[in-house]
Amino acid sequence: GESVGLHLPTLSVQEGDNSIINCAYSNSASDYFIWYKQESGKGPQFIIDIRSNMDKRQGQRVTVLLNKTVKHLSLQIAATQPGDSAVYFCAEIPRYSSASKIIFGSGTRLSIRP
Amino acid sequence: DTAVSQTPKYLVTQMGNDKSIKCEQNLGHDTMYWYKQDSKKFLKIMFSYNNKELIINETVPNRFSPKSPDKAHLNLHINSLELGDSAVYFCASSQDSHPSSYNEQFFGPGTRLTVL
Repeated sequence: GESVGLHLPTLSVQEGDNSIINCAYSNSASDYFIWYKQESGKGPQFIIDIRSNMDKRQGQRVTVLLNKTVKHLSLQIAATQPGDSAVYFCAEIPRYSSASKIIFGSGTRLSIRP
Repeated sequence: DTAVSQTPKYLVTQMGNDKSIKCEQNLGHDTMYWYKQDSKKFLKIMFSYNNKELIINETVPNRFSPKSPDKAHLNLHINSLELGDSAVYFCASSQDSHPSSYNEQFFGPGTRLTVL
């Protein structure tokens, strides 16, 4: 079935360290995987996406890794800053669904220690 | 200028009332959405409209009725509000120029609905 979940509901990281947020998914038939960031009191904001035929994609200070063998997705944030504090959602677009239909996971709260 | 805006930001009402939430986007996008986020932060799509036509309609009580007067607006009307309707409702939009690929969705700031 369609299911996207996260290993850890909360993550605390020292400022300046790298953060790794993990996500497990159960639907192997998905075309895209996406990471969204939601700051307190705001709507989700797109961070980065990765197509299912890729293993890795890099953005500015962020890297997404996709391991289809174990159905695992991760978001790495380099040199974590206070502004990175937020809830992070992994999400997927199942194949054969409308390209507009995003299935969101339950979210991981990232907090930064000074 | 705010790309996707919603009004009101907060809405507190009694059970049984009817209320509407409005959404407008000035991005020129073709597709708009409504999402519901519960108290555990779980975010789920409710509806999607493309050029004023309904394209996604998830399992949502028929007390919820979206209305799109034009492609820049998608309003959500809720009849006979129930306690379980309390949540944050997000509007979003995207430019679906590539139907077979992912098109980034831009979210509004949300409307926190509290039903007493």
